Amino acid sequence: GAVVSQHPSWVICKSGTSVKIECRSLDFQATTMFWYRQFPKQSLMLMATSNEGSKATYEQGVEKDKFLINHASLTLSTLTVTSAHPEDSSFYICSARFETKADTQYFGPGTRLTVL
Amino acid sequence: AQSVSQHNHHVILSEAASLELGCNYSYGGTVNLFWYVQYPGQHLQLLLKYFSGDPLVKGIKGFEAEFIKSKFSFNLRKPSVQWSDTAEYFCAVNCIHMYSGGGADGLTFGKGTHLIIQP
Repeated sequence: GAVVSQHPSWVICKSGTSVKIECRSLDFQATTMFWYRQFPKQSLMLMATSNEGSKATYEQGVEKDKFLINHASLTLSTLTVTSAHPEDSSFYICSARFETKADTQYFGPGTRLTVL
Repeated sequence: AQSVSQHNHHVILSEAASLELGCNYSYGGTVNLFWYVQYPGQHLQLLLKYFSGDPLVKGIKGFEAEFIKSKFSFNLRKPSVQWSDTAEYFCAVNCIHMYSGGGADGLTFGKGTHLIIQP
């Protein structure tokens, strides 16, 4: 149990386009999901907290207009990278908080974004 | 804001050696502590976690960690490593905000330790 999926697993896009990444909790409901970013050979950095039915909470330094988050249901959160640029190329990872399992977060496999 | 420090960025050990990876955090309040592992090409997996109670926690695959509150530390240990333990290990913390219903934040990760086990 407690499986989190992400789609797509990798995407290549042109500069200036927008890319949507989906995060799904497959066998549990998650009112809270988190989005992280991981640069090569570095650690994960929390970008934002996605709350079902309300606005996302962004970490300091993360542009909310660039990284649009929507958490429309208890099993789905989406991250849209708008007007992507090469510096947005990264590995984006989501996690879903399993509240009945002592608040443990389960991570998705990540999405590799490359902006040309 | 909280921060997490992992002291060893690269560790190389031989099989059957004992392992200890250091992790220190900075935060004055109540925290949850985690160790995650990322095997090559795979996603993050939870090794173990500490929320409260016995400060010595046992996780999967023979790993354990000890929370020492006075030292703000949560070091990961394994008495005898195997080649299959080669991976990236991340220590992480999130903070409990008692004023907001006890919910916990997203995780703050350390920079990770790349562990290589030589056969």
